Amino acid sequence: KAGVTQTPRYLIKTRGQQVTLSCSPISGHRSVSWYQQTPGQGLQFLFEYFSETQRNKGNFPGRFSGRQFSNSRSEMNVSTLELGDSALYLCASGTGGYGYTFGSGTRLTVV
Amino acid sequence: LAKTTQPISMDSYEGQEVNITCSHNNIATNDYITWYQQFPSQGPRFIIQGYKTKVTNEVASLFIPADRKSSTLSLPRVSLSDTAVYYCLVGDTGGGADGLTFGKGTHLIIQP
Repeated sequence: KAGVTQTPRYLIKTRGQQVTLSCSPISGHRSVSWYQQTPGQGLQFLFEYFSETQRNKGNFPGRFSGRQFSNSRSEMNVSTLELGDSALYLCASGTGGYGYTFGSGTRLTVV
Repeated sequence: LAKTTQPISMDSYEGQEVNITCSHNNIATNDYITWYQQFPSQGPRFIIQGYKTKVTNEVASLFIPADRKSSTLSLPRVSLSDTAVYYCLVGDTGGGADGLTFGKGTHLIIQP
């Protein structure tokens, strides 16, 4: 059974640019959540999508957005990148319970 | 979501049993206790989940006392590869919409 796939694995962007990250959940999982992990703030919830609808959003600025497609694949977008957006971005898929499966993440570096 | 408190770090040796305790004094009736393991530059991995008493799987055991205000993750006969950060989470299993709230976790270091 394939796991959660995140692409790309690594990314370097310049301040002011925008970036799109992709997440393919485990087959059959309709819930996809996104998290940001930094050394200073730890793991923080960004937003969750279920059946193409955003169910909840964490405390992040509007520059962070996402969407989910009919096949449950999800993308998150960060516009006008700042140096502080450098982080490991993690995607998790699940069926609604607490046993979520995480991907290996996308390491974003903003220079 | 109930707040959790766990040690920042722990050390142990290969072959030992390691117990990591998590405090969650304001756990709600509907809340479950879940533990995740995370290696550097990887996503967290689900280890075990429980509601009360004891739960055991192939990698760990979870002990939950009757008052459910704390829980203990037990790792039997650890190896160097068990060096990781362990997170204790408390919440309603149907609460995926609220996201998972991760604390700082416990950095477990296993020495030879």
